Amino acid sequence: EPEVTQTPSHQVTQMGQEVILRCVPISNHLYFYWYRQILGQKVEFLVSFYNNEISEKSEIFDDQFSVERPDGSNFTLKIRSTKLEDSAMYFCASSVGVRTDTQYFGPGTRLTVL
Amino acid sequence: AQSVTQPDIHITVSEGASLELRCNYSYGATPYLFWYVQSPGQGLQLLLKYFSGDTLVQGIKGFEAEFKRSQSSFNLRKPSVHWSDAAEYFCAVALSFGAGTTVTVRA
Repeated sequence: EPEVTQTPSHQVTQMGQEVILRCVPISNHLYFYWYRQILGQKVEFLVSFYNNEISEKSEIFDDQFSVERPDGSNFTLKIRSTKLEDSAMYFCASSVGVRTDTQYFGPGTRLTVL
Repeated sequence: AQSVTQPDIHITVSEGASLELRCNYSYGATPYLFWYVQSPGQGLQLLLKYFSGDTLVQGIKGFEAEFKRSQSSFNLRKPSVHWSDAAEYFCAVALSFGAGTTVTVRA
């Protein structure tokens, strides 16, 4: 069964450094999402992406974040200058159709900012 | 603005007993409602969803949920819990998630 994959599973970085989290969505899916989950807190929507542009974003998704689909398979989340509070689990998801369609989640990348 | 409340942070249930997880939402239009399960170290898996139609929705792993518009609720139920149901459960409306309910199953 096709699945969403994410790399790395765990990323440790120093405050102020840039990180890129990578996701490979399911191949025939058209909508892509990033969520984050700070330890012990709820899952929070960051951004959705369709047709090579951001379709929706939350207030968390400020100028330090960016997303890109650099090729036909990868979907990346870049955090330009990481802060301690960016430490969280980041989940990628994809769906065939609009956000009412079933989203398939990857296993997540745990980001630790020191 | 949309929001989701899961009033129960943690529920402990005996194996074989029934389980009900509460979810209340606030949403301006017709809600798109979801229940997800997250096992330790895993991503989220969709259990079921409701967009329209029959208000009692059947999902995977023997779960069901009932949409009650008058109560703004979408509670998740399972008649007989298995030890493998121990996990965290999230209710979501559109792209907003609740804080989650942790389910512990005792033998």
